[in-house]
Amino acid sequence: RKEVEQDPGPFNVPEGATVAFNCTYSNSASQSFFWYRQDCRKEPKLLMSVYSSGNEDGRFTAQLNRASQYISLLIRDSKLSDSATYLCVVGYSSASKIIFGSGTRLSIRP
Amino acid sequence: DTEVTQTPKHLVMGMTNKKSLKCEQHMGHRAMYWYKQKAKKPPELMFVYSYEKLSINESVPSRFSPECPNSSLLNLHLHALQPEDSALYLCASSDLRENNEQFFGPGTRLTVL
Repeated sequence: RKEVEQDPGPFNVPEGATVAFNCTYSNSASQSFFWYRQDCRKEPKLLMSVYSSGNEDGRFTAQLNRASQYISLLIRDSKLSDSATYLCVVGYSSASKIIFGSGTRLSIRP
Repeated sequence: DTEVTQTPKHLVMGMTNKKSLKCEQHMGHRAMYWYKQKAKKPPELMFVYSYEKLSINESVPSRFSPECPNSSLLNLHLHALQPEDSALYLCASSDLRENNEQFFGPGTRLTVL
């Protein structure tokens, strides 16, 4: 079983739709959680860190459920520019190490 | 607008060549990382330097040799590579705070002929 699992997609949704991504992780010692976004042939960029209390940044909302070892990302009112691969990432502070999920491809159509 | 820079952007090398990839960060971070990314796959960790010391080597073949001359610079020396080593090589840095957010450079796209 992979340490971090995501639905690979692709998700193809119309502009303005709401889309949700889910991610599960297997190591209960995980201490930090992130969503990164990666455009084609570019580097991953940090979208947001994820906290147990949940956090929101504009149209993006991230949730963490430690009991279920589950992370989610919700994108509201999607824009064409949201088309990218979204990477779920889990970190282990003691090892300075992060583990990437395989990524979920999102395509927003006009 | 990235604060992690990498050179060169593209590199083509033969299997007998020796080349180096360079990375520099300007955020005062104390940890730096090398990742390898193949097409349609997530980044794979290769090496971690913490406080200028190698702390993690993910069983990377010796034809890849990292070097951290100071807290801002990270190099990856390449020698006798194979065509399957062709990939995007990403450098990242973090400040080792509790959350350990990592910030990536734009990468070097390497082709081994």
